[in-house]
Amino acid sequence: NAGVTQTPKFQVLKTGQSMTLQCAQDMNHNSMYWYRQDPGMGLRLIYYSASEGTTDKGEVPNGYNVSRLNKREFSLRLESAAPSQTSVYFCASSETLASYGYTFGSGTRLTVV
Amino acid sequence: AQKVTQAQTEISVVEKEDVTLDCVYETRDTTYYLFWYKQPPSGELVFLIRRNSFDEQNEISGRYSWNFQKSTSSFNFTITASQVVDSAVYFCAHIKAAGNKLTFGGGTRVLVKP
Repeated sequence: NAGVTQTPKFQVLKTGQSMTLQCAQDMNHNSMYWYRQDPGMGLRLIYYSASEGTTDKGEVPNGYNVSRLNKREFSLRLESAAPSQTSVYFCASSETLASYGYTFGSGTRLTVV
Repeated sequence: AQKVTQAQTEISVVEKEDVTLDCVYETRDTTYYLFWYKQPPSGELVFLIRRNSFDEQNEISGRYSWNFQKSTSSFNFTITASQVVDSAVYFCAHIKAAGNKLTFGGGTRVLVKP
């Protein structure tokens, strides 16, 4: 099925460990996004990529890095995980102008202990 | 910067009651779009509706209806005759017309009891 695929679905990390969340879309969308979801705070934008080869910070970028590997793939890296990064992470994609909304992946539940 | 506020954090109703979810937004943009998404217990985000700032005509789709009032910057959502399957977190979101970043409200959790 066409859509946005995120891996892994669940992950537990120890403080200080690193990991990369993977995201791929097969809809030929130009723009891709990483959001985190925390209780009562909705979804907050971490980083986005308006097109292949570009990335920009969102609302909460500290502690994260991203790579737009190609048009399909957009990864999120935690270099040194902290308990404050315990969250559910969503990847999404859209047309260049996102006024038609996003297509979301199914999310990654990350726990940092 | 845009801001979306969902003042209700949780609403609990008994099945068949109506539920109205409030959404208030702040924006300096003259042209923008508003969305409602549903997040059921399984966790995925499901698109419900998109409305542009020039279209204030309210809409009904089955048991769902939306009330967009530009004068009060509100975009409220009503579930009529609620069902247990409506239990979910509902998010309101805003994007400016030429933009590519959705701004979400904090979400409202709806619990429909049998």
